[in-house]
Amino acid sequence: QQQVKQSPQSLIVQKGGIPIINCAYENTAFDYFPWYQQFPGKGPALLIAIRPDVSEKKEGRFTISFNKSAKQFSLHIMDSQPGDSATYFCAASLIQGAQKLVFGQGTRLTINP
Amino acid sequence: DVKVTQSSRYLVKRTGEKVFLECVQDMDHENMFWYRQDPGLGLRLIYFSYDVKMKEKGDIPEGYSVSREKKERFSLILESASTNQTSMYLCASRVPTTNEKLFFGSGTQLSVL
Repeated sequence: QQQVKQSPQSLIVQKGGIPIINCAYENTAFDYFPWYQQFPGKGPALLIAIRPDVSEKKEGRFTISFNKSAKQFSLHIMDSQPGDSATYFCAASLIQGAQKLVFGQGTRLTINP
Repeated sequence: DVKVTQSSRYLVKRTGEKVFLECVQDMDHENMFWYRQDPGLGLRLIYFSYDVKMKEKGDIPEGYSVSREKKERFSLILESASTNQTSMYLCASRVPTTNEKLFFGSGTQLSVL
């Protein structure tokens, strides 16, 4: 019930393409869904997050799409750049209380020039 | 900006050694976390601490313990290191009034030989 499943494990896209990373969760009580971005040699950093009262959130070239009925959410990167090459983690938790984040397995994204 | 500092970037230890991983944050955050990152498994929570001297087991606490004597410092202890504890260890902190953003350190890559 606490799992978050992320796919694909790795993804290679040409510059300008739109990589899409998918996540599925089981616990219907989850109400906070962040994405973290991790560059080599660094810790993960919060990229963008969504709550289930909206179906989409956009910040710059990054968009989260959320499907509450399917218990799925995804990250899209518009006009991808080589600098977007990183590992991306989705996560989920309850927003209230000191709840811990449950992370997905991670996706290593490579954007080729 | 919040800074979470992990004392070592790389550590090599022998099987059976007692290992201390140190983490310090400079933003007076009550909540601190230790995660383990392994390829294909994502980030898994080992232990977390709500506040000084308070700790709670995460998803994979076996073989680990923690210490939080001061608010800014959270230590992870491997009582008797084993080869299956070879991993990247990430420390994080968070403001407890909102569960939204974890601030991560750059990680300690531990190799147990």
